[in-house]
Amino acid sequence: DIQMTQSPSTLSASVGDRVTITCRASQSISSWLAWYQQKPGKAPKLLIYRASSLESGVPSRFSGSGSGTEFTLTISSLQPDDFATYYCQQYSSYPTFGQGTKVELK
Amino acid sequence: QVQLQESGPGLVKPSETLSLTCTVSGGSISSYYWSWIRQPPGKGLEWIGYIYDSGSTNYNPSLKSRVTISVDMSKNQFSLKLSSVTAADTAVYYCARRGPTGDGMDVWGQGTTVTVSS
Repeated sequence: DIQMTQSPSTLSASVGDRVTITCRASQSISSWLAWYQQKPGKAPKLLIYRASSLESGVPSRFSGSGSGTEFTLTISSLQPDDFATYYCQQYSSYPTFGQGTKVELK
Repeated sequence: QVQLQESGPGLVKPSETLSLTCTVSGGSISSYYWSWIRQPPGKGLEWIGYIYDSGSTNYNPSLKSRVTISVDMSKNQFSLKLSSVTAADTAVYYCARRGPTGDGMDVWGQGTTVTVSS
């Protein structure tokens, strides 16, 4: 199976900060990567698919980039609603998720 | 818009079979892939498997021997059965729809907590 590794595991940031989360795949997955946001007690929400395509209704401060084995999720200006845990997920083969990155208030 | 709702017992005894159903409302179950994903307490997400409306399935290899996913088109529902459960199967179980382009899971249920305990 394809292993997904996110870094960092926890990120402390302030409102207005630019935030970047990295996701690495154990083998090439082309651009078959999605990003999700999850808040406590809630289901994940799709933010980005195919590495860089913004899901409908998702604010434009979220962006994704990368291909092959290295990917990033960037929040250009962190908002209060963005404090959450973020997961990457590959779908090149059967789906696997990264371990998550918790974005917390500094 | 399409909504998903999981249902089933919240408590299952060890060695028994966990059974959950996901009801699709506001849209048809046809022409989409439907997944089950789980999340143990305080941990990350694990994909369990998916089914297409034709009944074709794909399962996580680590769970394949214990998992069955089925679909009931007439009821707009799909179901999960996980046999021989242990405490390690305690988790929040989500059903989700794979997006129309095949990219990511764009609609999720709210999740249902299943505890395995005697």
